This record gives sequence, C-alpha cells and structure tokens, in this order.
Amino acid sequence: EAGVVQSPRYKIIEKKQPVAFWCNPISGHNTLYWYLQNLGQGPELLIRYENEEAVDDSQLPKDRFSAERLKGVDSTLKIQPAELGDSAVYLCASSSFPENGELFFGEGSRLTVL
Amino acid sequence: QKEVEQNSGPLSVPEGAIASLNCTYSDRVSQSFFWYRQYSGKSPELIMSIYSNGDKEDGRFTAQLNKASQYVSLLIRDSQPSDSATYLCAVNTGNQFYFGTGTSLTVIP
Repeated sequence: EAGVVQSPRYKIIEKKQPVAFWCNPISGHNTLYWYLQNLGQGPELLIRYENEEAVDDSQLPKDRFSAERLKGVDSTLKIQPAELGDSAVYLCASSSFPENGELFFGEGSRLTVL
Repeated sequence: QKEVEQNSGPLSVPEGAIASLNCTYSDRVSQSFFWYRQYSGKSPELIMSIYSNGDKEDGRFTAQLNKASQYVSLLIRDSQPSDSATYLCAVNTGNQFYFGTGTSLTVIP
C-alpha cells in the first residue's frame, strides 16, 4: 500500500512569491491534515479535512494561506505571498478513523523563503 | 499551558540500556495517545498507540498510560544506536491531535 505522497520535497523561493504544495493521502483515508513543523518543534495543525470539507481551519493564516481538497482525495496548500517566517516543513498526514485513529505522514515539503 | 509537554532532552543512554521518555497532557477528555519517532530530516513515523490505562508492549517498546495522572511514557529496552531520534508524544482529544515538542534521544554505542 502506498503511503502519503507529497511534492515538492524541497522548495526555495524569494519572499513575496507564491508557492504550492501537493498531497495525495493513503487510499481510503477520508481525513487529511496539513501540519507545519518548525525546527525543534512538534507539528502544528494548519487545516483538517473530512473528505472535501475543511472541518478545522482555525489555525490557518487565511490572509496568505489557502487550501483545497477537490473530490475529497488530493489536496493543495498554497501560500501567497510567502514571508521569511514561512520557512518550515509542511507535512501532510492522513487518517482512516480520526476520532481514535492514527496519523500517517508524508515525507514533507521543506520550504525556504529568502 | 501547552496541551502536551515533553522534556526536550537531549537524553543520552548507552547501547543496551533502557531509555525512558515522558509526556504529560492537559486535556482530561483526551482519548488516545501516540508515540512518533522522527529521524533528523524525516517525517514522523508512528511507533506506538495506546488507548487505555496500563502498559502496552510491542517488541522492545512499551507504552504506559495513566489517565488519572495525565501521563504517558515510552520505554525502549535494549536501546540501539538506530533508536537515536526525536520522539514525539501526540494526544487525540477526539477533535484534534496535539503534539509535544519532542524529546531527542541519543544511544551511545
């Protein structure tokens, strides 16, 4: 069974440029998460989807971040415009049973904003 | 107060010793508890889950849960250099997962 797939693995951009990250969850996992992880910190939730519905986006900085999960499978996280402080690893995770389920993470997308 | 607290370490143990990692959480309605291992530059990998009070063993790993004390621990027996990583404690309240900042473990050969 394929795991969570993310792309790109690495991205370097100038500040004020846009950037997008893509995630394909494990087949059959209806719940999809985007997390942000800074160095030396644990993952912090940005947004959680149940199928195509964003059920928790309270921590998503909506002035510059947006996300979508069309058809309830793949998801895209966008930042526009990027700021220096957005440099971090963006992790996508999926789960089959969110209430007591286990999260399975992709390899992450490491963003560097110059 | 953070939802999940862990000692950041670093924790160093000699090869073959027992490594003990601790975690406390603040939300009493927390329902499920997880330990993730994260190697440097890699993403978190689930290694243990525990849902009820007591101990749960899986190979060299034992997770311990005490809901009354809001405490979760992970014991790694016969520690190996390959166990050197950051260990993240995670708690699911039913609505959201909360992660600790992780404890860095180094196993010295």
